Amino acid sequence: KAGVTQTPRYLIKTRGQQVTLSCSPISGHRSVSWYQQTPGQGLQFLFEYFSETQRNKGNFPGRFSGRQFSNSRSEMNVSTLELGDSALYLCASSFETYGYTFGSGTRLTVV
Amino acid sequence: GENVEQHPSTLSVQEGDSAVIKCTYSDSASNYFPWYKQELGKGPQLIIDIRSNVGEKKDQRIAVTLNKTAKHFSLHITETQPEDSAVYFCAATPQGAGNKLTFGGGTRVLVKP
Repeated sequence: KAGVTQTPRYLIKTRGQQVTLSCSPISGHRSVSWYQQTPGQGLQFLFEYFSETQRNKGNFPGRFSGRQFSNSRSEMNVSTLELGDSALYLCASSFETYGYTFGSGTRLTVV
Repeated sequence: GENVEQHPSTLSVQEGDSAVIKCTYSDSASNYFPWYKQELGKGPQLIIDIRSNVGEKKDQRIAVTLNKTAKHFSLHITETQPEDSAVYFCAATPQGAGNKLTFGGGTRVLVKP
C-alpha cells in the first residue's frame, strides 16, 4: 500500500515569506501529525489532527499552523519565515492512536 | 511535560555483536514507548514498540525492555548487520496525549563489517 506522501521534497524560501507543506496520509488513517527535525533540537512535535480537529499542539509559535481536510490530507503553514525555521518537516499518520508511519519529509531551507 | 534522554549518542559495533541503546523518561503517566530507525534521506521507521503493561517484547533480532519503576527502557539488537547502521530514536507518550510523541536525542549506530 502507498505510504505517507509529503510534497514538495525540497523547498527554498526567503526570510519573511510564508510556506505551505502538504501531507497525504496512508489511506484510512485518520490521525496526522507534524514534526520538525533539526540537528540542534532533534525531533519536536508541532501538532496532531484527528478527523479534521486539532487534537494536540506542541510548543511552537503561532506562525506555525495546520489543518486537516475531510479526506484526511493535511497541510501545515509557516508564516513570516525565520532562518531558524530551516529544518526537515515530517508528517506521520496512523489509524487511531500509536503506530505512526512517517513520510520522507520536506526539507525547508530559509535564506 | 515529558522529557526523554537517550544514551549513547553514538555507538560503533562489530558485525555480529549486540547493540544496546538506553532511554529514560520523566513522566510516570507515559504508557507507550516506540523505537524508530532513520536512514539517510528518509523519515523515521517504526521498528518496535511496547506498552506499559508489558515488560519485554521481541521481534526477530530486536527486543525492547521496559522498567516502569525506574522509568527507563532499552533497545537490544542482536547479531548486528551492516544494514542496521542508522540513527535510532526512542520516544514516549503519556496516556491521553494522543500521538504526541516526545523523542530522545537519537543514537547513531555504525556496524563495522
